[in-house]
Amino acid sequence: DVKVTQSSRYLVKRTGEKVFLECVQDMDHENMFWYRQDPGLGLRLIYFSYDVKMKEKGDIPEGYSVSREKKERFSLILESASTNQTSMYLCASSSSLNTEAFFGQGTRLTVV
Amino acid sequence: GIQVEQSPPDLILQEGANSTLRCNFSDSVNNLQWFHQNPWGQLINLFYIPSGTKQNGRLSATTVATERYSLLYISSSQTTDSGVYFCAGALQGAQKLVFGQGTRLTINP
Repeated sequence: DVKVTQSSRYLVKRTGEKVFLECVQDMDHENMFWYRQDPGLGLRLIYFSYDVKMKEKGDIPEGYSVSREKKERFSLILESASTNQTSMYLCASSSSLNTEAFFGQGTRLTVV
Repeated sequence: GIQVEQSPPDLILQEGANSTLRCNFSDSVNNLQWFHQNPWGQLINLFYIPSGTKQNGRLSATTVATERYSLLYISSSQTTDSGVYFCAGALQGAQKLVFGQGTRLTINP
């Protein structure tokens, strides 16, 4: 079975902190994604990566950056956390274009 | 980009009832999936179904790609079926999976 693991299920950070959300997949997938989920707004794509060191902006990249130094790991970085980044963050991976995506367990981030 | 519309937004049923959830797409999609979000927030894969019909136990799904919609059927509902169901799709050649707003299903005992 495909396994996508996010480093934390719950996280509380202070405004202005630099925050790292980590995601690891064990199926040698080329594509990895970061989404955030907010009530009334659904799931929105922040960034995705289709290869090591490659990244593309999604719908809401402002305030975020990403890093993919190894194929199995995709990190989401909040350079200076703000309260409006309080959200549920979901990581996903897939093997190539237009194939099934698998999600991690999610990270509920609260910025205070 | 594509728009994904799910209906109904909310559905409340008694245990044992059957239900049909619908997903409409504004454009043709290649990668179409149905998910169930569990109480802890994780998206659980139900079906990968760009076209045709698939069944898995009490759940089945049908996608009519030419008419840009997909249906998820749940038969003999159980309280554990409660939660939010999402459909999502991507345009051919696109990497971005676009989600609908979800259907919140509540199964009462």
